[in-house]
Amino acid sequence: QKEVEQNSGPLSVPEGAIASLNCTYSDRGSQSFFWYRQYSGKSPELIMSIYSNGDKEDGRFTAQLNKASQYVSLLIRDSQPSDSATYLCAVTSYNQGGKLIFGQGTELSVKP
Amino acid sequence: DADVTQTPRNRITKTGKRIMLECSQTKGHDRMYWYRQDPGLGLQLIYYSFDVKDINKGEISDGYSVSRQAQAKFSLSLESAIPNQTALYFCATSVGQGLDTQYFGPGTRLTVL
Repeated sequence: QKEVEQNSGPLSVPEGAIASLNCTYSDRGSQSFFWYRQYSGKSPELIMSIYSNGDKEDGRFTAQLNKASQYVSLLIRDSQPSDSATYLCAVTSYNQGGKLIFGQGTELSVKP
Repeated sequence: DADVTQTPRNRITKTGKRIMLECSQTKGHDRMYWYRQDPGLGLQLIYYSFDVKDINKGEISDGYSVSRQAQAKFSLSLESAIPNQTALYFCATSVGQGLDTQYFGPGTRLTVL
């Protein structure tokens, strides 16, 4: 089992729809959770971080964390073609010396 | 100016050559990291350094070495490059001390022929 798992996609949604991206992790000691956006050939860019159970909203983005079920999700409301990118889930565990463990990413395509 | 810079941005080299990739940061962060990214495989950690005197191997360190010359500089070397080291390489930094957000440089695209 991979430590951080994401569906590779591609996930295709129409413009204006809600895109839902999911991530599961195996280490119950994980304490910090991040979503990065990466455009093709570019570096990852942090869009959300979440540390406690529940929802965290920032503009059109909402991160949801459920530690009991070991999953974290990202919702993108009113999706735009400019949101088309690969979204990387990353998890930090102090059991692993504070390293950031990345999933393989989910490719999102927003169709006009 | 960018907070995390990488040089060179693109490099084509031949099998067996030694190559160094450099990373500099002006964020004042203690922690620095080197990752490689292959299509469809996400980011794989090569080496990381929590301060100038602390360097650790990541999951794919074979064939690579690093040097932390100062808090702001972290270099990655390929002693004898091979074609399967063709990839996109990223440097990243973080504050540490429980603040784990990593900030990435623009990347170096390395091709080994």
